[in-house]
Amino acid sequence: GAGVSQSPSNKVTEKGKDVELRCDPISGHTALYWYRQSLGQGLEFLIYFQGNSAPDKSGLPSDRFSAERTGGSVSTLTIQRTQQEDSAVYLCASSPEREAHNEQFFGPGTRLTVL
Amino acid sequence: GQQVMQIPQYQHVQEGEDFTTYCNSSTTLSNIQWYKQRPGGHPVFLIQLVKSGEVKKQKRLTFQFGEAKKNSSLHITATQTTDVGTYFCAANQAGTALIFGKGTTLSVSS
Repeated sequence: GAGVSQSPSNKVTEKGKDVELRCDPISGHTALYWYRQSLGQGLEFLIYFQGNSAPDKSGLPSDRFSAERTGGSVSTLTIQRTQQEDSAVYLCASSPEREAHNEQFFGPGTRLTVL
Repeated sequence: GQQVMQIPQYQHVQEGEDFTTYCNSSTTLSNIQWYKQRPGGHPVFLIQLVKSGEVKKQKRLTFQFGEAKKNSSLHITATQTTDVGTYFCAANQAGTALIFGKGTTLSVSS
């Protein structure tokens, strides 16, 4: 079946603008994760969803970052008033069930460039 | 907070040489996962270790989980150019989010 998809694949924006990044998880996966990966760096955890609720928002860098998930499926990550340091690849992953510590299936990512 | 330290950050080997990357935590882990990210790609799950002292093999790859469940290693025997990429360990304590190490980037020359 289809894997995790993300859109757009690339986004270039000007400093101060808002951006929305979209993630379509694998059908039936209840857990959804957002990560940020800067050039040559590891994966920085941002937020986790179980169904539509977000029990772990501990990784969001600031209140400019927010995310929601509707219908237990699609998720959007919104960055308001973007800054240059927000430039990174934003990766989404889904998993059948978080408590079982299942493997995470990653999408191709959205490369965000803030000018 | 919990941190997962991964060493080395970079490793270059000649094709046919062995390679090992290490993952260490100061706290006891519930489990540990390993992922591989090819250049320009996204992380792909390799394996999960759960039991103390567990050893798992996938062809030329050997994964170990320490007895104290605080460290893990990935060993590749006789590297090939297809092994190029960044290898991440990821771990969590019970009830916490998965924390990724910074990765070890492997380059292989033929």
